Formats: sequence, structure tokens, C-alpha cells
Amino acid sequence: KNEVEQSPQNLTAQEGEFITINCSYSVGISALHWLQQHPGGGIVSLFMLSSGKKKHGRLIATINIQEKHSSLHITASHPRDSAVYICAVPFWGPDKLIFGTGTRLQVFP
Amino acid sequence: EAQVTQNPRYLITVTGKKLTVTCSQNMNHEYMSWYRQDPGLGLRQIYYSMNVEVTDKGDVPEGYKVSRKEKRNFPLILESPSPNQTSLYFCASSFMSSGIIDEQFFGPGTRLTVL
Repeated sequence: KNEVEQSPQNLTAQEGEFITINCSYSVGISALHWLQQHPGGGIVSLFMLSSGKKKHGRLIATINIQEKHSSLHITASHPRDSAVYICAVPFWGPDKLIFGTGTRLQVFP
Repeated sequence: EAQVTQNPRYLITVTGKKLTVTCSQNMNHEYMSWYRQDPGLGLRQIYYSMNVEVTDKGDVPEGYKVSRKEKRNFPLILESPSPNQTSLYFCASSFMSSGIIDEQFFGPGTRLTVL
């Protein structure tokens, strides 16, 4: 059983569509991370959030601690958003991370 | 420029030949960590460090060693590499805010092949 589950595993969209990626976890946590891995392999941290909602440009992340669920939304998606999106949570303490297997997003013009 | 550097970026080696992958950050971060990424398994944490001389095991520490003698450096050591350690390795660093790992900065990755 995976402690961190992401859905969907793969997602294709047309440019301009609203995208939602989900992350569910089985342990109580203090914070959750969303990462983006570009096709070239580089990884960028998008958000760290412990409650509520955060927004950076067209990206919005929400978390519901009680329901053990987080969502990453992309508004007005663009082909440059094509990447793998990964969520990560602390496990057995605040300093050790486990990761979901990622959601591969492809946005077509 | 704030960054995490890893060297080498690519390495092909043979079973049993000791190697070190270096990681350095210039942001005065307390927290540093090593991850490996394998197809179908995603990212997994190998070792992490909360500060100088403080290191701890992650999910998959077997076959690896680390040290944190200086705040900026966190090398990953494979004393006797085996083919199952062929993988893509990432180093990352961050501040700790109230005991929580803050947003992490990742190095560019090291692709290791052990023959």
C-alpha cells in the first residue's frame, strides 16, 4: 500500500483547459510539497503548504488536512506546463519525505 | 546565484569501485537530502541531514554513506557500488521553518550507471 497516492497517473489536455491533479496520503502530516519535473529531468519546488491554499501565477494548491488530501490546479494550461507533477509528505517525522509516483501532464496546442 | 550543484552529472563505473557524488549549496540551508529516482518507483529518499554533523537514514539507505562536515556540502558515497544502484540521483536543500522542511532547491541530477 502506497502512503502517498496521486491521480491521475497520466493526463492530456488542450491548451487553455483547467487542470486538477490530486494527492491523497495515509499519515498525519505537518506539510505537503508539490514538485514539478521538466521533460529534461530538472526538479523545481512549486509549493510547500500546511493549510488552506497557495497561489503562484496560474498554479493553485489546496490542502485539507482532515481529509488527508491535496489538489494542484493549473488555470489556462499551456504547453510549457507539460511536465511530471509530484507530491511529497513527511513520514515518521517532519524531516523524512516520501513521494507519490507522479502525474504526467501533456498539454497540446 | 542561489543554486545546488552536483558533480559529476554523468558517471559510468564498474561494480565495487568506490565513488563519491558531491553536492554543494550556497544558500546557507540547514536541511540537505539525497534522493534516487527510478522508473515506476519515483523519488525515494536515501539520507538527509538537519545540520552539520547530523545525518539520518531515509527510505533506502542501504549501500550508501553520507557526511556533513560543512553546512554547504553533503557528499554521497558508494563504497562498493552494485548494478542495482544504477539510477538518477538528486541532491536538494532547504531551510527548516518551525521544524518543517521548507521549499526545496534541487540539484541538476547525477545519472549513474554501474556495470
